[in-house]
Amino acid sequence: SQQGEEDPQALSIQEGENATMNCSYKTSINNLQWYRQNSGRGLVHLILIRSNEREKHSGRLRVTLDTSKKSSSLLITASRAADTASYFCATDATGANSKLTFGKGITLSVRP
Amino acid sequence: DGGITQSPKYLFRKEGQNVTLSCEQNLNHDAMYWYRQDPGQGLRLIYYSQIVNDFQKGDIAEGYSVSREKKESFPLTVTSAQKNPTAFYLCASNRGGVGGAFFGQGTRLTVV
Repeated sequence: SQQGEEDPQALSIQEGENATMNCSYKTSINNLQWYRQNSGRGLVHLILIRSNEREKHSGRLRVTLDTSKKSSSLLITASRAADTASYFCATDATGANSKLTFGKGITLSVRP
Repeated sequence: DGGITQSPKYLFRKEGQNVTLSCEQNLNHDAMYWYRQDPGQGLRLIYYSQIVNDFQKGDIAEGYSVSREKKESFPLTVTSAQKNPTAFYLCASNRGGVGGAFFGQGTRLTVV
């Protein structure tokens, strides 16, 4: 079973616009993470937000976490063509055998 | 340079054969993970290990086996019992529930 579910599945925007991606999850978590994947490559870690945090920033990235709704959002501001990639949320669930579980991902296309 | 290395990048297997995918990290991470990625399926967890000499099944462990004899190494064997092994396999490591994960560049396995 996949813990995180992102939406939308695909997003196409113009360069310079903001991109917002959402993730919902099912169980209690230690933290939630966002990753980026370029086609045919490994994933790259973007940002991590802990369960006791509500918002975090890193450069053009802003992530929020609402544990009461079990949801998170990733905002990429002033998008660039180079931001075109797949984005995944991952959750690190609480418990003795914590494991990193991913959603199906969002395909972001940024048109020049 | 610290990192996580998967080999080979491409692997072809005849039906009925077992093959082993290599994953090595020099990041001193305790936790290591194997994921399978199929188009439209996101990343699905095969096996994970939080510490040397211990590992747990993920969501799709059937037809796969692993070992964790050394902290640096977490090889994955795709056995002949795996009926549909053609996929992109990703290995990752992290500090066991603390911080983001580092990914290898993946191994693309094709059954011929």
